[in-house]
Amino acid sequence: GAVVSQHPSRVICKSGTSVKIECRSLDFQATTMFWYRQFPKQSLMLMATSNEGSKATYEQGVEKDKFLINHASLTLSTLTVTSAHPEDSSFYICSARDPLSYDGYTFGSGTRLTVV
Amino acid sequence: AQSVTQLGSHVSVSEGALVLLRCNYSSSVPPYLFWYVQYPNQGLQLLLKYTTGATLVKGINGFEAEFKKSETSFHLTKPSAHMSDAAEYFCAVSLNQAGTALIFGKGTTLSVSS
Repeated sequence: GAVVSQHPSRVICKSGTSVKIECRSLDFQATTMFWYRQFPKQSLMLMATSNEGSKATYEQGVEKDKFLINHASLTLSTLTVTSAHPEDSSFYICSARDPLSYDGYTFGSGTRLTVV
Repeated sequence: AQSVTQLGSHVSVSEGALVLLRCNYSSSVPPYLFWYVQYPNQGLQLLLKYTTGATLVKGINGFEAEFKKSETSFHLTKPSAHMSDAAEYFCAVSLNQAGTALIFGKGTTLSVSS
């Protein structure tokens, strides 16, 4: 079945630095990927929809300049948290949908970001 | 717009007892409905999904759910709980349109006691 690989699984960074999270579709081409954020004991909140070759679509309230999304190829989307602050600490999960077969949405294993 | 409401943020059952996790949805068009399970610090695993056809859907690990349009519900059940079922469960809804994301409910934590 469809596999989505997300890296890194855990990252600790200092306040003010930037962190890049990668999301790869391993055995299918994903024209669209989705980025979610999950706070402890809470649900997944959609941050943005990443479209290959075009600008991402951000949900209301998500800062475009803080959470930079790039989807430069059909198998790779990246989320960069710029000038990270402790309040950006969270669990980030990407998801992709195989456009050729509807078997649901495939999720990455998530990235635990801690900003100190 | 679509939305999902999961009734009960925390459900506790004894091992061997029936599991019932409730989910109600709101959608202006026929929805696609999903149940996912999440273990601590991990991604999501699809339990089952409803798209079209048979309204009783069977998934992995003995779980099943029934789509009831008249009640706008998609409750998840399992006849006999196992300790390994303890996890976070999310109900989600989407449209069958390219580029549309899953919208999740707030989740239900299932605890199983021996």
